[in-house]
Amino acid sequence: SAVISQKPSRDICQRGTSLTIQCQVDSQVTMMFWYRQQPGQSLTLIATANQGSEATYESGFVIDKFPISRPNLTFSTLTVSNMSPEDSSIYLCSVEVLAGATDTQYFGPGTRLTVL
Amino acid sequence: QKEVEQNSGPLSVPEGAIASLNCTYSDRGSQSFFWYRQYSGKSPELIMSIYSNGDKEDGRFTAQLNKASQYVSLLIRDSQPSDSATYLCAVANAGNMLTFGGGTRLMVKP
Repeated sequence: SAVISQKPSRDICQRGTSLTIQCQVDSQVTMMFWYRQQPGQSLTLIATANQGSEATYESGFVIDKFPISRPNLTFSTLTVSNMSPEDSSIYLCSVEVLAGATDTQYFGPGTRLTVL
Repeated sequence: QKEVEQNSGPLSVPEGAIASLNCTYSDRGSQSFFWYRQYSGKSPELIMSIYSNGDKEDGRFTAQLNKASQYVSLLIRDSQPSDSATYLCAVANAGNMLTFGGGTRLMVKP
């Protein structure tokens, strides 16, 4: 597995502002992912954070709204830009690790965002 | 659209009983299958992974996979109140991208 930390753990933000979430892992990993979990819902993949290149975004998510950085193999950031109350969610990063014979994703503790 | 379906529950079982959680998926090209447990206010925690047809046991947990029926399940034996959580089924495609089901909420009553 991997030890993953996220900062901040929670935040309350005003509409129209931006928040940058950090994800740090204790070992070098190739694949890092960012998910959103809206209240009472399951996880939705926002994007795959690629080291050395632009992130790959899923349908419905765009770089202008969710810019992502991946400067090295242990760190990534997700920015939620120009926030609205609809962005209130838990944001989770995950890393992919080879566990036995299967590539497996492990999740960070999450960032709980409330937008007023 | 690739889908992963779970009964949202709640599934209520008495302490000591077997809890059976089910998941179906639509993408026949799916390669690997995962069960995560998520306590309220916490992030998902991996319980089991399975990628071959049949059963895989780990302690009180057994994952079952039937690719022909596109069905994966999780059995929890001797259920404990501490097992009360939401269980998320996740399916990986050939590119290892995960699609999550909506989750089943399990309640184990003392």
